[in-house]
Amino acid sequence: GAVVSQHPSRVICKSGTSVKIECRSLDFQATTMFWYRQFPKKSLMLMATSNEGSKATYEQGVEKDKFLINHASLTLSTLTVTSAHPEDSSFYICSATDGARNQPQHFGDGTRLSIL
Amino acid sequence: SQQGEEDPQALSIQEGENATMNCSYKTSINNLQWYRQNSGRGLVHLILIRSNEREKHSGRLRVTLDTSKKSSSLLITASRAADTASYFCATANAGNKLTFGGGTRVLVKP
Repeated sequence: GAVVSQHPSRVICKSGTSVKIECRSLDFQATTMFWYRQFPKKSLMLMATSNEGSKATYEQGVEKDKFLINHASLTLSTLTVTSAHPEDSSFYICSATDGARNQPQHFGDGTRLSIL
Repeated sequence: SQQGEEDPQALSIQEGENATMNCSYKTSINNLQWYRQNSGRGLVHLILIRSNEREKHSGRLRVTLDTSKKSSSLLITASRAADTASYFCATANAGNKLTFGGGTRVLVKP
């Protein structure tokens, strides 16, 4: 159980394009989803926390107009990288939780974003 | 910001040997979690240890937590080539928000 599906797994696009990444919880209701960014051989950096039906909470230094997050249902959150530039190239990972205390987060398999 | 520091950053061992990695953190926590990440993949949850627990086992994994020293360790016994991965500790606050350590890259040579 507790499967999180992230799509697409890899995307290559031109500078200036907007890219949408989907994160779905397949067998549980995800009241909270998290979006992370990971640079090569580095740890995960939390970008934002999204709760179903409310606005996402962004971490310091993350541009909310650049990284649009929508969490419209209990099973789907999306991250849209708007007007992407080469410096946005990275590995983006989502995770989801049903909000229960002292339970692990369940991670998607990540999206490798490459902006040319 | 990164709260946890992991030590060592990289570890190379022979199959069958044990691997130990350590994690330190700075603030109070609800629980501490260990995850594994294979190259280019997402994270797989290994063990969650609550702030009132001192030791936990799962198969070949053993995790300890010392809240007085704000540190945790992960021991992998009888390592296998398939254990080759990066291992991350993460501390959780009351809002289930995770703060990850820098990770330990483990290479198990057959």
